[in-house]
Amino acid sequence: QVQLQESGPGLVKPSETLSLTCSVSGDSFSNFFWTWLRQPPGKGLEWIGYVYYNGRTSHNYNASLKSRVIISADTSINQFSLQLSSLTAADTAVYYCARARAGMTSSYYGLDVWGPGTTVTVS
Amino acid sequence: DIQMTQSPSSLSASVGDTVTIACRASQSISTHLNWYRQRPGTAPKLLMYAASSLQSGVPSRFSGSGSGTDFTLTITSLQPEDFATYYCQQSYSVPTFGGGTKVEIK
Repeated sequence: QVQLQESGPGLVKPSETLSLTCSVSGDSFSNFFWTWLRQPPGKGLEWIGYVYYNGRTSHNYNASLKSRVIISADTSINQFSLQLSSLTAADTAVYYCARARAGMTSSYYGLDVWGPGTTVTVS
Repeated sequence: DIQMTQSPSSLSASVGDTVTIACRASQSISTHLNWYRQRPGTAPKLLMYAASSLQSGVPSRFSGSGSGTDFTLTITSLQPEDFATYYCQQSYSVPTFGGGTKVEIK
């Protein structure tokens, strides 16, 4: 059974860069959209972007965050990572990694496996 | 971006009730619509994909319908674990979510 687990700092300073890692266990890394999302306190869900690997790597990012986001993958250890730069208090949120099966679009079959989430506070 | 609007934002119901949640897209998304349930302090769980397909392992009391811009999620025989917040998400383009519908105990 596939499991995802986020890791990274819980507290980061304004203007710094956040680095989070998602470890994938129990399944192949290929042919899935490995996705990051976030949820500010008391608010809804925001899609950040994904990395997709099928022998080659591709990405797509939320346009509102694109200038500050990098999502990368290390397929040798089944991990993918999020870097978010120039942090402000508005980036305070629970960050989730999730998986979507390859389909017509990056989430056609839905985000079917999620990590438990990690809380990041910018202060 | 495609905007997703859910209604109502909250509702009260009792165990055993049937509830319906609506989701409207700002443009046609065919059947590219997913539904999630999120209990407090936990990650969202996928319930339905492609508007009306039940995710593996999800109870059959959940059903979805709709196409184009208007969609609904129906929960029959509401169970204690169903008191949670529900989100729709369009998968037609860059994913966006509705604002959520909180189902509370009456």
